[in-house]
Amino acid sequence: RKEVEQDPGPFNVPEGATVAFNCTYSNSASQSFFWYRQDCRKEPKLLMSVYSSGNEDGRFTAQLNRASQYISLLIRDSKLSDSATYLCVVLTGGTSYGKLTFGQGTILTVHP
Amino acid sequence: NAGVMQNPRHLVRRRGQEARLRCSPMKGHSHVYWYRQLPEEGLKFMVYLQKENIIDESGMPKERFSAEFPKEGPSILRIQQVVRGDSAAYFCASSPPTEEGTQYFGPGTRLLVL
Repeated sequence: RKEVEQDPGPFNVPEGATVAFNCTYSNSASQSFFWYRQDCRKEPKLLMSVYSSGNEDGRFTAQLNRASQYISLLIRDSKLSDSATYLCVVLTGGTSYGKLTFGQGTILTVHP
Repeated sequence: NAGVMQNPRHLVRRRGQEARLRCSPMKGHSHVYWYRQLPEEGLKFMVYLQKENIIDESGMPKERFSAEFPKEGPSILRIQQVVRGDSAAYFCASSPPTEEGTQYFGPGTRLLVL
């Protein structure tokens, strides 16, 4: 089983749509959680951290359920510029503190 | 404040040659991480370094790969006797001390082995 698993997608949605991505992680010792986005052939960029209480940043809302080891990202009112690959990322503690584990990514295409 | 810098951005090597990838962290960042992204795959952790110390190299292939972060100068990822399977994008990230989760990525080096 992969350490971090995501919806493979791809998702093709019209502008203005709401889209949700899901992610599960296998290591219950994981300590921190993030969503990154990666544009084609570019470096990953931090989109937002994910907290147990849930958090929102503009059109983006992230949720974490530690009991189910489940993370989600909701994008409202999609823009063309949201087209990218979204990466679910987990930071595990212990001796590997500093090691980010990435999911395979979910491709999102927003069309006019 | 310059971001994480990597060079070269593109590197072409023939099988059997050596590849040296360089990474300069952001100012004030003392932690460096290397990740590899094979074609059509996700990013995979390779190694975590602090100045003059390797903290975690659990993701490094056992042979041909080495990494260092000297007291002065950039971090170096060295691949000896490259093979075609080493062709990938190699990303470096850096973080401030005590904020290992907040990693900023460089633009990557794309290695092509012919």
